[in-house]
Amino acid sequence: EPEVTQTPSHQVTQMGQEVILRCVPISNHLYFYWYRQILGQKVEFLVSFYNNEISEKSEIFDDQFSVERPDGSNFTLKIRSTKLEDSAMYFCASGGRETQYFGPGTRLLVL
Amino acid sequence: AQTVTQSQPEMSVQEAETVTLSCTYDTSENNYYLFWYKQPPSRQMILVIRQEAYKQQNATENRFSVNFQKAAKSFSLKISDSQLGDTAMYFCAATGANSKLTFGKGITLSVRP
Repeated sequence: EPEVTQTPSHQVTQMGQEVILRCVPISNHLYFYWYRQILGQKVEFLVSFYNNEISEKSEIFDDQFSVERPDGSNFTLKIRSTKLEDSAMYFCASGGRETQYFGPGTRLLVL
Repeated sequence: AQTVTQSQPEMSVQEAETVTLSCTYDTSENNYYLFWYKQPPSRQMILVIRQEAYKQQNATENRFSVNFQKAAKSFSLKISDSQLGDTAMYFCAATGANSKLTFGKGITLSVRP
């Protein structure tokens, strides 16, 4: 059964450093998403991506964040200058409004 | 904008018993989808069940079923014959025209042996 994959599973970084989180969505899906979950809190929408451009973004998704689909399979989330409050679980998802399948997540810790 | 409310922070159930998890939502849209996701300690988000708002029939997936009350904007999840592996956080969520998922705060379900 096809699934969404994410790398790395864990990332530890220093405040101010850039991180790139990678995702491989399910191959025939057209919509891709990034969500985050701060420990103990609910899952929050960051951005949706369709047809090689951002279709919607949340208030959280400020200028420090960017997304890219560099080739036909990968979908990346870049945080340019990480802050302590960026520490969270980051989930990639693919699908659409009818169904979304999540990857296993990347646990990001900013020190 | 959509909102999803899960007011129970946690519940406990005896193995093999039935438990119902509550969820209410608010939306101005006519065409939307509702979901329950399971998050075990591994923190993976697993789709449990989904409901299309324009379908009156309640969705079922094996031991999992929903009670969808559209007028009341209520979407509860019933787990029958609870198993130890059902112990997890459960999130109610909704999508509308913009396709982003809006989640509730979640409920922690513990299944006792």
